[in-house]
Amino acid sequence: GAGVSQSPSNKVTEKGKDVELRCDPISGHTALYWYRQSLGQGLEFLIYFQGNSAPDKSGLPSDRFSAERTGGSVSTLTIQRTQQEDSAVYLCASSKEAGQAKNIQYFGAGTRLSVL
Amino acid sequence: GNSVTQMEGPVTLSEEAFLTINCTYTATGYPSLFWYVQYPGEGLQLLLKATKADDKGSNKGFEATYRKETTSFHLEKGSVQVSDSAVYFCALSYSGNTPLVFGKGTRLSVIA
Repeated sequence: GAGVSQSPSNKVTEKGKDVELRCDPISGHTALYWYRQSLGQGLEFLIYFQGNSAPDKSGLPSDRFSAERTGGSVSTLTIQRTQQEDSAVYLCASSKEAGQAKNIQYFGAGTRLSVL
Repeated sequence: GNSVTQMEGPVTLSEEAFLTINCTYTATGYPSLFWYVQYPGEGLQLLLKATKADDKGSNKGFEATYRKETTSFHLEKGSVQVSDSAVYFCALSYSGNTPLVFGKGTRLSVIA
């Protein structure tokens, strides 16, 4: 597609439920990133996929968070047993390895997660 | 570790005023530096970037110069418009598609 697409745009869930957030990167972009934007913490890196390499999970806040990227394209971020402190906007970005726009990250509009 | 510090907001300016948003960084080696902007209700967009010392990034009347000696990348615009009202984020990363390290963001409001 023309840009990074994220769904849903808004998600309201009850504490303890699992949620799945989806990211569809720009076609041809080999790198995909998840970030979290919250009032108290600003923008935090969560996880990063680069081609077929093992993902960099160093930013995941707990083992309740996981992500996968299927076929080198679409990614799903899963939060299990959601807590109120998980409420935030989850942003996805993608970038490519070569060309004029190399290493520039393009962001989706985000998924706003509210845990009640 | 790597970090980015930018001035606290919010910043409120009158239209046509001069804008400076300070940004300093702590990093090993030679990171690339970025300014991203988030307009109300929209996603993050790249505003400008610089990849090496003394490079100047510019876009839409905004400029920032990569100053290695002061580890800074201050954002400037000579004459702001109401449409510039947004949150501005300074960020760094390294070559090879590494995750961005962001500052906390500075909210700018421009009033007519």
